[in-house]
Amino acid sequence: DGGITQSPKYLFRKEGQNVTLSCEQNLNHDAMYWYRQDPGQGLRLIYYSQIVNDFQKGDIAEGYSVSREKKESFPLTVTSAQKNPTAFYLCATTGGLYEQYFGPGTRLTVT
Amino acid sequence: QKEVEQDPGPLSVPEGAIVSLNCTYSNSAFQYFMWYRQYSRKGPELLMYTYSSGNKEDGRFTAQVDKSSKYISLFIRDSQPSDSATYLCAMRENDYKLSFGAGTTVTVRA
Repeated sequence: DGGITQSPKYLFRKEGQNVTLSCEQNLNHDAMYWYRQDPGQGLRLIYYSQIVNDFQKGDIAEGYSVSREKKESFPLTVTSAQKNPTAFYLCATTGGLYEQYFGPGTRLTVT
Repeated sequence: QKEVEQDPGPLSVPEGAIVSLNCTYSNSAFQYFMWYRQYSRKGPELLMYTYSSGNKEDGRFTAQVDKSSKYISLFIRDSQPSDSATYLCAMRENDYKLSFGAGTTVTVRA
């Protein structure tokens, strides 16, 4: 079954803790992306990676970090430096003419 | 001013009605235009993808692009309760980076 998987679906953390969100794909796509979605604000790009061992900051990278050690995997760490981490996080890959396909998302709640 | 403006709604229509959604944008370099559907607590799924000005039809869905007015639309004919979702427009220049609208929440009443 091809696609993008994100885990966990729901995540709860205490303020001050780092947390890592998983994103795995078996579509053999080179490019992967992390977005944050907040109510009424659409999707905002956090980080993206176009090839293994390379990644670039998006529009709202502060307080986040990523790695891209394997083509299939692009984990996102939400650090304690992120001032407002509670959000819905979406991972995506690019296929064909740059159309993006999204995973099911992880809802992170930090209290 | 946001690069992509989309009325968040909510929009409520009876079953069978035509749903009309639209976005305006300010960046004249946008060349590719997409519509995504997002059900509650799920990831967005790609509905329509267009490149040029004009209409593109896929079943009950029609996407329109008017580059001269910087305006795109999505029409859903014969709407069904299963069409109840948030619809996001997205667009990009000739590269990877997508710019999204805020999304319009649609409810189709049975």
